[in-house]
Amino acid sequence: EDKVVQSPLSLVVHEGDTVTLNCSYEVTNFRSLLWYKQEKKAPTFLFMLTSSGIEKKSGRLSSILDKKELFSILNITATQTGDSAVYLCAVERADSNYQLIWGAGTKLIIKP
Amino acid sequence: GAGVSQSPRYKVAKRGQDVALRCDPISGHVSLFWYQQALGQGPEFLTYFQNEAQLDKSGLPSDRFFAERPEGSVSTLKIQRTQQEDSAVYLCASSWPDDRVIYEQFFGPGTRLTVL
Repeated sequence: EDKVVQSPLSLVVHEGDTVTLNCSYEVTNFRSLLWYKQEKKAPTFLFMLTSSGIEKKSGRLSSILDKKELFSILNITATQTGDSAVYLCAVERADSNYQLIWGAGTKLIIKP
Repeated sequence: GAGVSQSPRYKVAKRGQDVALRCDPISGHVSLFWYQQALGQGPEFLTYFQNEAQLDKSGLPSDRFFAERPEGSVSTLKIQRTQQEDSAVYLCASSWPDDRVIYEQFFGPGTRLTVL
């Protein structure tokens, strides 16, 4: 059965710290992996990764995919309190153009 | 507004009551998705529309759940005879008419349903 596992489930750090969130997957017919940030209720799209070893970067956030070891990491440097959120990882299958398999998320809390 | 909107934002229902949750997607978005998100979990797929056609309803947990999008725009998720296990946040998302519809789904704020 396809699954996406995120770790840690929750993380508390201080402002300015760097964090690394993990997402591992076991999905047949992998096509892409997506990261979302969920504050309050609506997830917002961060990155889509399809190729191994190519880092996607947006400001203080970056992400990379390892298709051989079946995982992705999301890095946040110089964290700010506004980074506090649940970070969701989802995997898209090549044989479905609309269904995503979601992880349970990592709840990140940034203390001032 | 420019985003996906959902209403109501919060709904408290007595067990056995019927509820209807509304989603207004971004104008022009062909694809519309409904998800159910339990506390501490990722969203679980419920159903998918392309325009007014419901192409996949495999995620609907029981025949008490019904979704429609009659004019290819606004969608309604209806839950009949609600049960306590239906308590969750119901998220709606829409995306561009692209052969990679999944590329970027825009989510609404969700409706938090509590069944007493």
